[in-house]
Amino acid sequence: GQQVMQIPQYQHVQEGEDFTTYCNSSTTLSNIQWYKQRPGGHPVFLIQLVKSGEVKKQKRLTFQFGEAKKNSSLHITATQTTDVGTYFCAGPGAGGTSYGKLTFGQGTILTVHP
Amino acid sequence: DGGITQSPKYLFRKEGQNVTLSCEQNLNHDAMYWYRQDPGQGLRLIYYSQIVNDFQKGDIAEGYSVSREKKESFPLTVTSAQKNPTAFYLCASSKLRGNTEAFFGQGTRLTVV
Repeated sequence: GQQVMQIPQYQHVQEGEDFTTYCNSSTTLSNIQWYKQRPGGHPVFLIQLVKSGEVKKQKRLTFQFGEAKKNSSLHITATQTTDVGTYFCAGPGAGGTSYGKLTFGQGTILTVHP
Repeated sequence: DGGITQSPKYLFRKEGQNVTLSCEQNLNHDAMYWYRQDPGQGLRLIYYSQIVNDFQKGDIAEGYSVSREKKESFPLTVTSAQKNPTAFYLCASSKLRGNTEAFFGQGTRLTVV
């Protein structure tokens, strides 16, 4: 079945350092989504990428979708303490038995030391 | 206010009892999902539904059951067959096409006592 793998599981950085998390799917995705979950909260949508090779930016965050639509990355430049949380990628299957199945990666827990 | 509502926020269950977690959305979304989250872990898909009266098993469906009798509602029953039910349960909904952003409820924290 469809699997979405995310690395690293944990990342500890000093404030001002950069951070990257990577996401790989076992099947082609119709799109890739990224979410952030603050401690004690629920996941909140950040962005959706649809096109092969797409790159989108949100202030200090840069999102990429791979050419084969099976991998993605999230890069944060110059982290701040407000970036603390767990970052998840998620992808609905593109077809077959995985169509509409929104599978999440395991998440990357980011801690930022001031 | 449009959104997705889960209730209750906290739930305590005795071993051997079935419990039902509520999830309601007024976003007119076709798709609804149930996820389980254990401490420090990711979101594991329990069940999902794309249309009324139809649903599919996710990756960890054993010990759980759902129904989708109305578009707005997707209740999850945690049965006594679920051996380790203590967890944080999240319900979500989304469109099926276009912007398929998932909207999450606040979650239900279930504890077996």
